[in-house]
Amino acid sequence: RKEVEQDPGPFNVPEGATVAFNCTYSNSASQSFFWYRQDCRKEPKLLMSVYSSGNEDGRFTAQLNRASQYISLLIRDSKLSDSATYLCVVNIGGKLIFGQGTELSVKP
Amino acid sequence: DTEVTQTPKHLVMGMTNKKSLKCEQHMGHRAMYWYKQKAKKPPELMFVYSYEKLSINESVPSRFSPECPNSSLLNLHLHALQPEDSALYLCASSQGGVSSYNEQFFGPGTRLTVL
Repeated sequence: RKEVEQDPGPFNVPEGATVAFNCTYSNSASQSFFWYRQDCRKEPKLLMSVYSSGNEDGRFTAQLNRASQYISLLIRDSKLSDSATYLCVVNIGGKLIFGQGTELSVKP
Repeated sequence: DTEVTQTPKHLVMGMTNKKSLKCEQHMGHRAMYWYKQKAKKPPELMFVYSYEKLSINESVPSRFSPECPNSSLLNLHLHALQPEDSALYLCASSQGGVSSYNEQFFGPGTRLTVL
């Protein structure tokens, strides 16, 4: 079983749609959680940290359920510029463990 | 200054060459990382330096040799690489030393091709 598993995608959605990404992690020692986005041939960029209380940044909402070892990302009112690969990431002892990534393509 | 820089952007080398990748950050971060990323795959951790000391080596072959000359700089020395080592090499940094809690910030990467 992979340490971090994500929906493989791709997700193809129209502009304005709401899209949800799910992620599960296997190591209960995981201590912090993040979503990164990566554009084609670019570096991963931190999108947001994820907390048990949930957190929101504009159109993006992230949730963490430690009991279920589940992380989610919701994107509302999706834009063309949201097209990218979204990486679910957990930090175990300072090592970032990445999921395989979910590709999102937002179409006009 | 909130960025991690890497040079060169692209590198083509033969299997007998020796080359170096460079990474620099001026955010006062005390942990620095090397990752390798193949196409359509997530980044894989190679090395971690915390307070200028090597703290994690993910069983990387000795043809890759990291060096941390000071708290702002990280090098990766390459020697006798194989074609399968062709990849995007990413440097990252995080505040404080290696921590279970800090986010990491990535440089733009060096795209390496080994012929």
